[in-house]
Amino acid sequence: SQKIEQNSEALNIQEGKTATLTCNYTNYSPAYLQWYRQDPGRGPVFLLLIRENEKEKRKERLKVTFDTTLKQSLFHITASQPADSATYLCALGSQGNLIFGKGTKLSVKP
Amino acid sequence: DGGITQSPKYLFRKEGQNVTLSCEQNLNHDAMYWYRQDPGQGLRLIYYSQIVNDFQKGDIAEGYSVSREKKESFPLTVTSAQKNPTAFYLCASSPGQKRETQYFGPGTRLLVL
Repeated sequence: SQKIEQNSEALNIQEGKTATLTCNYTNYSPAYLQWYRQDPGRGPVFLLLIRENEKEKRKERLKVTFDTTLKQSLFHITASQPADSATYLCALGSQGNLIFGKGTKLSVKP
Repeated sequence: DGGITQSPKYLFRKEGQNVTLSCEQNLNHDAMYWYRQDPGQGLRLIYYSQIVNDFQKGDIAEGYSVSREKKESFPLTVTSAQKNPTAFYLCASSPGQKRETQYFGPGTRLLVL
């Protein structure tokens, strides 16, 4: 069956460092991959979409890579700030289906 | 302001009771979805609708029902057949039928008395 894994439930880093979150998947061939941010008690907010034929995408301090051979996406937040603390969800999409990972809770300490 | 609204923010259900969660969007999006989120779990799809008067079951539709009589509204009913309804319910919409980028509402937390 399809499986999507985000590398860890929680990630703690120091302010100013780069946060790297991992999303791995098996038994699936997504046409695109998305990252969402979710704050406690709130709905997810879309951040970035990367398609299967794209290797990398950037938006301000965010960078996403997509390796369909490794079946992996990396999500980077450079110069991280305490305001970046949240849960980040990976989602895979193909043929009208969207599957979400469990998320990684990022904590950025001042 | 354009967006998705969900009400109520908190909802309490008694044993054997049906409850309805509201979801309204003024983004003019065609597709709408309902997800359930449990602690430590990914979002799981309950139902989705790509056009008015049509909807499809998701992965965990048992114990739930929906309607889509208007483009902007997609209410979810949690029936008494749903034995474990305590969860955070999220409504989302997307502008096309391909279900790419989804825009989420603020969520409704359902608790059982």
